[in-house]
Amino acid sequence: RKEVEQDPGPFNVPEGATVAFNCTYSNSASQSFFWYRQDCRKEPKLLMSVYSSGNEDGRFTAQLNRASQYISLLIRDSKLSDSATYLCVGGNYGGSQGNLIFGKGTKLSVKP
Amino acid sequence: DGGITQSPKYLFRKEGQNVTLSCEQNLNHDAMYWYRQDPGQGLRLIYYSQIVNDFQKGDIAEGYSVSREKKESFPLTVTSAQKNPTAFYLCASSTSGGTSSYEQYFGPGTRLTVT
Repeated sequence: RKEVEQDPGPFNVPEGATVAFNCTYSNSASQSFFWYRQDCRKEPKLLMSVYSSGNEDGRFTAQLNRASQYISLLIRDSKLSDSATYLCVGGNYGGSQGNLIFGKGTKLSVKP
Repeated sequence: DGGITQSPKYLFRKEGQNVTLSCEQNLNHDAMYWYRQDPGQGLRLIYYSQIVNDFQKGDIAEGYSVSREKKESFPLTVTSAQKNPTAFYLCASSTSGGTSSYEQYFGPGTRLTVT
């Protein structure tokens, strides 16, 4: 079974803090990785794709380490509105090509 | 606006009844997916379809059925054979690229409660 593992948290941080989430994946053949954000009782929404070279979108930076099969998400200058569950997602190769494997999520709570 | 719609948002049924959840997309995506999410759990794949008139079982297909007669539509039927049907059901779609995994876009979900 190909898995994506995340620390469930919760991460409780003050506004303005920098917080990092980590994720490991077991399928070394995976080529595609994503971070999704899910608010309470809502659908997951794509936050960003994760590229080998790393990528940044405003306060968010995603990194991929293929050698260690490890993905990270860094959030700088946390806002109250960043409070949500962050899902680490990897592409699944094998019987269901093209499908995604979702981690269970890491819960972030940003406090005033 | 392009997007994915699911209806209804909340659905209540008595045990023993079949129920069909709607999912429609106008993103011109080839692939569509159904997931189930239980409290504190990750998303689990029920069924997926990469092309019209074809679909495949996911990890937890027992007690569910689907059809894909049109590119835009991928309804899910929760049958009475599903032992624990109460859950949050999410439909998603993506472009389909053979061995590549593309990002999926989700509808707002349907919360099904069976008593």
